[in-house]
Amino acid sequence: KQEVTQIPAALSVPEGENLVLNCSFTDSAIYNLQWFRQDPGKGLTSLLLIQSSQREQTSGRLNASLDKSSGRSTLYIAASQPGDSATYLCAVQGTNAGKSTFGDGTTLTVKP
Amino acid sequence: DTAVSQTPKYLVTQMGNDKSIKCEQNLGHDTMYWYKQDSKKFLKIMFSYNNKELIINETVPNRFSPKSPDKAHLNLHINSLELGDSAVYFCASSLQGRTDTQYFGPGTRLTVL
Repeated sequence: KQEVTQIPAALSVPEGENLVLNCSFTDSAIYNLQWFRQDPGKGLTSLLLIQSSQREQTSGRLNASLDKSSGRSTLYIAASQPGDSATYLCAVQGTNAGKSTFGDGTTLTVKP
Repeated sequence: DTAVSQTPKYLVTQMGNDKSIKCEQNLGHDTMYWYKQDSKKFLKIMFSYNNKELIINETVPNRFSPKSPDKAHLNLHINSLELGDSAVYFCASSLQGRTDTQYFGPGTRLTVL
């Protein structure tokens, strides 16, 4: 059974800092790993999707890496802004019927 | 321009009632999903349909019955609602399912009294 863990559960940083969010998973038989952000009371917005054959994906100030063999992914956010404050979720889509398993999320607060 | 839409956004109802949540996507995707996010914010998949065919059916009480009239719609019907069904229910879709980005709807907040 796939288990996805995100560390830390919460993170508070001053504006402008670079930061790293971590995601680990127990079963490396995956199709892809996806990072989402969720604002309070809102749905999920996809940030980056990394296929199992890829090592990283970049979009603007975001960079996500994937090390499938060690079961780890990181989301790097450069030059954080107050608008980045949200809960960040990683989801792993397994090869077992394509089922996605989500982590509990990291709640990020960027203080002005 | 809404990609994945859900109705209603809020649903408050008494225990024991039967209710439905509707989901529609205009992205031309083949695969649709229902997720449940509980009070602790943990998101868990419930069902997945590909071209109107059920492909994922997690351990969900049989009071929950998904229905896909066509590949752009996936509705969720819940019978005999219980207090523990209170949660936010998210619909999502992806192009093929296995390698594609999932796009989420805004969620339906269900409160059972």
